[in-house]
Amino acid sequence: AQSVSQHNHHVILSEAASLELGCNYSYGGTVNLFWYVQYPGQHLQLLLKYFSGDPLVKGIKGFEAEFIKSKFSFNLRKPSVQWSDTAEYFCAVNPRLGNNRLAFGKGNQVVVIP
Amino acid sequence: GAGVSQSPSNKVTEKGKDVELRCDPISGHTALYWYRQSLGQGLEFLIYFQGNSAPDKSGLPSDRFSAERTGGSVSTLTIQRTQQEDSAVYLCASSRGQANEQFFGPGTRLTVL
Repeated sequence: AQSVSQHNHHVILSEAASLELGCNYSYGGTVNLFWYVQYPGQHLQLLLKYFSGDPLVKGIKGFEAEFIKSKFSFNLRKPSVQWSDTAEYFCAVNPRLGNNRLAFGKGNQVVVIP
Repeated sequence: GAGVSQSPSNKVTEKGKDVELRCDPISGHTALYWYRQSLGQGLEFLIYFQGNSAPDKSGLPSDRFSAERTGGSVSTLTIQRTQQEDSAVYLCASSRGQANEQFFGPGTRLTVL
């Protein structure tokens, strides 16, 4: 079964700072990769996804993520955060061939201080 | 268009009672998933329906949990004889097909007293 690791569960930073959230997965086959975001009081929303092609993917709100196959990683980045980026961020993986169930990391609680 | 909807949004029940949670997927989405979000456990897969195929129940934590999907649309997750450890947010998601992104509903927060 696949597993997903996210480190630094709580992240506090100031507006305009850069953000990077790490995501590592363990799975022997080909995977699809996702970052979901959950803003306070809202439901999970897709931030970006990687299925194939260019390993550097752009998502909504200025976020991007890079898939590095050799490192089994899919780190999320944003060069300059805003207060409205305060949210919980989840990395998720599912096997390219399989039942499409998502395996989630534990999440990163990000707080941006104005 | 309308997103995934779930009802009720909150449910408080007493230990030992049965509960039913409902999910209305996005129209036209053939795949439907249930997940559970709880403190300490994160987001866990419960069950997956795809079209008319037999559901993948491999994530259900015990035989007190069951789910059905009627007419390929609405799904109901039933928890019998609820326990305090069942307290969590139950999330439903749907996707256009097996290999597409999943859209999540707002969840049902279940509290078992």
